[in-house]
Amino acid sequence: GESVGLHLPTLSVQEGDNSIINCAYSNSASDYFIWYKQESGKGPQFIIDIRSNMDKRQGQRVTVLLNKTVKHLSLQIAATQPGDSAVYFCAEIRGNAGNMLTFGGGTRLMVKP
Amino acid sequence: NAGVMQNPRHLVRRRGQEARLRCSPMKGHSHVYWYRQLPEEGLKFMVYLQKENIIDESGMPKERFSAEFPKEGPSILRIQQVVRGDSAAYFCASSPGTGGGQPQHFGDGTRLSIL
Repeated sequence: GESVGLHLPTLSVQEGDNSIINCAYSNSASDYFIWYKQESGKGPQFIIDIRSNMDKRQGQRVTVLLNKTVKHLSLQIAATQPGDSAVYFCAEIRGNAGNMLTFGGGTRLMVKP
Repeated sequence: NAGVMQNPRHLVRRRGQEARLRCSPMKGHSHVYWYRQLPEEGLKFMVYLQKENIIDESGMPKERFSAEFPKEGPSILRIQQVVRGDSAAYFCASSPGTGGGQPQHFGDGTRLSIL
């Protein structure tokens, strides 16, 4: 189901460390997943995506892991930088729900210099 | 900048007035989506349109809300007789097609405030 909350979970990391942001999804029919980064006052920015027939995909400094057995998605950011500070959302497209994105509740990443 | 363009960025309306939000998709994108976001929450799907057609409006409130994507010009999200609960950020996204490998790209939103 969808996550609704008044307070976003926060992950605080030291600059240069690796960050791991987690997301659980509930619908096994979901076949496409996307991570978005949202900075204050801006729209979600595409980071990386993965299809359900894959379990890992790498980009520049980012890696997405998909575990379909436990319906879990994670975003790993290597050598986290202050510019990575933002709210991160996972989103899924459910195979039986057309093309609409269903967003998770988000995680706030704070990078300490 | 060839990204998704939304205007206005901020819109203030009094209760009972109409709000019109505009979205120009990325060049080459024919699929447009509208989402609503409340503070500290994820985005909630409202409607999916292609040129001159509403494909999926399952997330739209049944009353006062409408959307269009005409053959020429931007997509419009229209809210009639606004109420305080309509205060939110409204985001538009576009994609070249549907499904995996065709990610939706978002504009920077319109922040609607109802007095």
